Amino acid sequence: NAGVMQNPRHLVRRRGQEARLRCSPMKGHSHVYWYRQLPEEGLKFMVYLQKENIIDESGMPKERFSAEFPKEGPSILRIQQVVRGDSAAYFCASSPRGTSGGMQYFGPGTRLTVT
Amino acid sequence: KQEVTQIPAALSVPEGENLVLNCSFTDSAIYNLQWFRQDPGKGLTSLLLIQSSQREQTSGRLNASLDKSSGRSTLYIAASQPGDSATYLCAVSGTGTASKLTFGTGTRLQVTL
Repeated sequence: NAGVMQNPRHLVRRRGQEARLRCSPMKGHSHVYWYRQLPEEGLKFMVYLQKENIIDESGMPKERFSAEFPKEGPSILRIQQVVRGDSAAYFCASSPRGTSGGMQYFGPGTRLTVT
Repeated sequence: KQEVTQIPAALSVPEGENLVLNCSFTDSAIYNLQWFRQDPGKGLTSLLLIQSSQREQTSGRLNASLDKSSGRSTLYIAASQPGDSATYLCAVSGTGTASKLTFGTGTRLQVTL
């Protein structure tokens, strides 16, 4: 059973470009979470999604960031017009159930560098 | 607002020693608590999950305890090995949006030969 998959593992973007980060949850998991780890800081929650629904986006910056989890295909975290402060590791996690507090399984992360 | 603190921030021990990592949280209304390890430049590996109704969980040389009322958890590692060297993170899931994890800043562990 493959774990949570994220791609790309490393992404370099110039200021002003768009970054698209993809996450495929574990088989049978319909709950996806995105977290961000800034350099020398802890992981911070960004957004929680179920298939075709955003459940909680309280940690998502109001501008430039968006997330989706379509009926088919991976979850996508999109960052428009990237700035240097967006450089971080972005982790995706999945669980088989959400509000019942199931264990979250994390992917290897995407390391975004904005030049 | 939930805040999670981990002490110590860094720890270096000789191989074979037993050790305890501490985690405290400010809001005792949690759904569960998870311990993870993170290797440099890598993702997170889930070690143990303790539901709020439980007192402890064990996996191999690892034992995690939870005292919800006092807002504390400990991770006990027995007979440490160099391969245990990593950053250990604890995270709590609140009862509101139960799925959202709030992380501590971690304890960086180095086990020396």
